[in-house]
Amino acid sequence: KAGVTQTPRYLIKTRGQQVTLSCSPISGHRSVSWYQQTPGQGLQFLFEYFSETQRNKGNFPGRFSGRQFSNSRSEMNVSTLELGDSALYLCASSPAGPNEQYFGPGTRLTVT
Amino acid sequence: GQQVMQIPQYQHVQEGEDFTTYCNSSTTLSNIQWYKQRPGGHPVFLIQLVKSGEVKKQKRLTFQFGEAKKNSSLHITATQTTDVGTYFCATTGNQFYFGTGTSLTVIP
Repeated sequence: KAGVTQTPRYLIKTRGQQVTLSCSPISGHRSVSWYQQTPGQGLQFLFEYFSETQRNKGNFPGRFSGRQFSNSRSEMNVSTLELGDSALYLCASSPAGPNEQYFGPGTRLTVT
Repeated sequence: GQQVMQIPQYQHVQEGEDFTTYCNSSTTLSNIQWYKQRPGGHPVFLIQLVKSGEVKKQKRLTFQFGEAKKNSSLHITATQTTDVGTYFCATTGNQFYFGTGTSLTVIP
């Protein structure tokens, strides 16, 4: 099976702009989770989607949002970007969650 | 919410030495998962433990879940350069909680 894919892999944005990241889970996996990874804060959970519904949510402001489509693909949106949003954004899928997660390669977002 | 503290933050070992990282929580955990992230890579699932006192082995790696289900450890015997990376523990509650990770450097 193909692994989790994320696009784009790298992105440079300016403060105040918005960005949309995409994630395609492993075929058959219905749970998709998003994480933010930074050197200072480590791996932080953003949210989890299962069957197009947000099932769990971390402690991030409302500028961070997501959605899941009927084919389990997921997108994450960050509005009004801040310098502190610069991070590696990781997507992970699992068959039904919360179980072992399979991570994608991530999207490296730089906000200038 | 649940927090998992991981120690040490960094560990440098000579190739062939053993390595252990510990994960601790103040609350009882329903499960513990371990992941490895190579430099420049993404976390890769290693194992999940769910039972009190559970011990699982994968070649040179030994994983333990404490009797009270509040702590866990990952032990690597005779480290190799391929073991380099950051090891994370994680648990699930109403969200996923990852430990801060232990960065392992293996000196050849």
